Amino acid sequence: GENVEQHPSTLSVQEGDSAVIKCTYSDSASNYFPWYKQELGKRPQLIIDIRSNVGEKKDQRIAVTLNKTAKHFSLHITETQPEDSAVYFCAASLGQGNLIFGKGTKLSVKP
Amino acid sequence: DAGVIQSPRHEVTEMGQEVTLRCKPISGHDYLFWYRQTMMRGLELLIYFNNNVPIDDSGMPEDRFSAKMPNASFSTLKIQPSEPRDSAVYFCASSTHGTLYEQYFGPGTRLTVT
Repeated sequence: GENVEQHPSTLSVQEGDSAVIKCTYSDSASNYFPWYKQELGKRPQLIIDIRSNVGEKKDQRIAVTLNKTAKHFSLHITETQPEDSAVYFCAASLGQGNLIFGKGTKLSVKP
Repeated sequence: DAGVIQSPRHEVTEMGQEVTLRCKPISGHDYLFWYRQTMMRGLELLIYFNNNVPIDDSGMPEDRFSAKMPNASFSTLKIQPSEPRDSAVYFCASSTHGTLYEQYFGPGTRLTVT
């Protein structure tokens, strides 16, 4: 089955710097790659997603890139702010409805 | 729409007791997922349903865990008997192919087994 690896497990940056989180997946048939943000004590919420027919997608300060050949995708957050501090999860889907999640990255943005 | 509803929000029980967690998905969603989240193991998919039918229960840890979806608006996750290692936050999520599988999570149930 599909397996998703996520790195790093923790990431600390200064406010205003960029943050990059990387994920790899094992099944080349996966075609949908969402990213979820989970603030402390709250539920995971979708922040951005990308499909296999697209190489990059941006939404204000966040962007996701996908390299199908290498089977990896990344989340980029620019001009980080303290409110970006959270745990971020990547996931992959074979299009059957279920998502396979990475282990998460705890991002800390220091003011 | 009220979103995915879970109850109870917190549950504290003693080892050996039966625990039942409840979920109401978003109206019109045809997929329902049960996840368990712990610090050690992260977010684990336990089971998911499509149109009330269980599709994959390979994530259910043991026979002590069971899940049902008697209709499109209600699902339960039952643990019997409960053990301290079952302590975790249990999330229910729902989605539909109409939104390309974006999963909407409920607020979660924090279970503590003493």
